[in-house]
Amino acid sequence: DGGITQSPKYLFRKEGQNVTLSCEQNLNHDAMYWYRQDPGQGLRLIYYSQIVNDFQKGDIAEGYSVSREKKESFPLTVTSAQKNPTAFYLCASSRGRLANQPQHFGDGTRLSIL
Amino acid sequence: KQEVTQIPAALSVPEGENLVLNCSFTDSAIYNLQWFRQDPGKGLTSLLLIQSSQREQTSGRLNASLDKSSGRSTLYIAASQPGDSATYLCAVRRTQGGSEKLVFGKGTKLTVNP
Repeated sequence: DGGITQSPKYLFRKEGQNVTLSCEQNLNHDAMYWYRQDPGQGLRLIYYSQIVNDFQKGDIAEGYSVSREKKESFPLTVTSAQKNPTAFYLCASSRGRLANQPQHFGDGTRLSIL
Repeated sequence: KQEVTQIPAALSVPEGENLVLNCSFTDSAIYNLQWFRQDPGKGLTSLLLIQSSQREQTSGRLNASLDKSSGRSTLYIAASQPGDSATYLCAVRRTQGGSEKLVFGKGTKLTVNP
């Protein structure tokens, strides 16, 4: 089945530690996105990539980093500079900005501080 | 700056009732509007996408309308069922820069009681 796989489902971060969230898609989509969701809040865009080897900052990029070395993969690193990392992280993909198609989402990774 | 508001924040109805969820946005210059469903601890499932040139979209018991001039969209759910219980999110795609950035509302949490 085609879809988006996020791993792990739950992740715990220690003080001063960087952690990486995985996002893989087999939908052959060009564009990929990372969102953060806090309780009672809407989703906020962290980073997005419209093509391999290119990515752009979203609305809340500080303390995060990404890479897009392969079309299928868009990992997100939460660095120690992100002082409030506890949240639900969602990865999404779409065919691309010209296609005017819906974004498809993974099942999320819940990150907590130890 | 585009802002998306969803009212009410929570709604509880008896099974079988028809209901309407509301979404409003401040900037009418949108490319499209999407309605999503989110189950607890899960990612988002795309329900309906309405292009800016369209007035409504239908899928099964769901009907979404769009009035760009007034900055409003509604999601109508007919003959509600307990399985419809979830949080419903609307999101608008901004036109600026040709990117696919979505701006999300905070959602309406729907409970359908048997």
